[in-house]
Amino acid sequence: GAGVSQSPRYKVAKRGQDVALRCDPISGHVSLFWYQQALGQGPEFLTYFQNEAQLDKSGLPSDRFFAERPEGSVSTLKIQRTQQEDSAVYLCASSLGAVNQPQHFGDGTRLSIL
Amino acid sequence: RKEVEQDPGPFNVPEGATVAFNCTYSNSASQSFFWYRQDCRKEPKLLMSVYSSGNEDGRFTAQLNRASQYISLLIRDSKLSDSATYLCVVGPYSSASKIIFGSGTRLSIRP
Repeated sequence: GAGVSQSPRYKVAKRGQDVALRCDPISGHVSLFWYQQALGQGPEFLTYFQNEAQLDKSGLPSDRFFAERPEGSVSTLKIQRTQQEDSAVYLCASSLGAVNQPQHFGDGTRLSIL
Repeated sequence: RKEVEQDPGPFNVPEGATVAFNCTYSNSASQSFFWYRQDCRKEPKLLMSVYSSGNEDGRFTAQLNRASQYISLLIRDSKLSDSATYLCVVGPYSSASKIIFGSGTRLSIRP
């Protein structure tokens, strides 16, 4: 199982609830990215980690979104007080080294907010 | 104008045909270029990196035109299994937030 693993695959939550999405990158991959993908669109950048350091969070749409990677491996994306517009597929990707290297994606978490 | 633009398609071509599509980008400082394919309800998967001199991988050829700021993907002898959405990805050398995915071009190969 050498690929990027995300869980859960599907998450349904009521508006206002908090959710947590997990990403387990490929072992040894330094860079980790979170993206949000709406139907019919390409992935939109949310945030980027290099090891445990969150180097760029400029894509997070609001302060309700929070991501961490405390030990430089597994990462969690948390969304507080979810809104209907948060419904999307959340993709995690990792790459071996620098930002400009090819990324390997997980299957994504399909989030639906009712 | 979007930073990375692709014709959304769909391109509907017969098996065995050659098909090509372009992707234009607006940031002249972009230095890394990729094509990914994404099947319906699946994750994007790297198809190929795009190098300045152009590169080929089997039936697939990618080219970069820096002067006109576009990259292209050519698929020869198309197979049914080539049906997917093709995402163009453009980025600078070091800024993660500037890695931009296009919205994708849908390709459908018919028997």
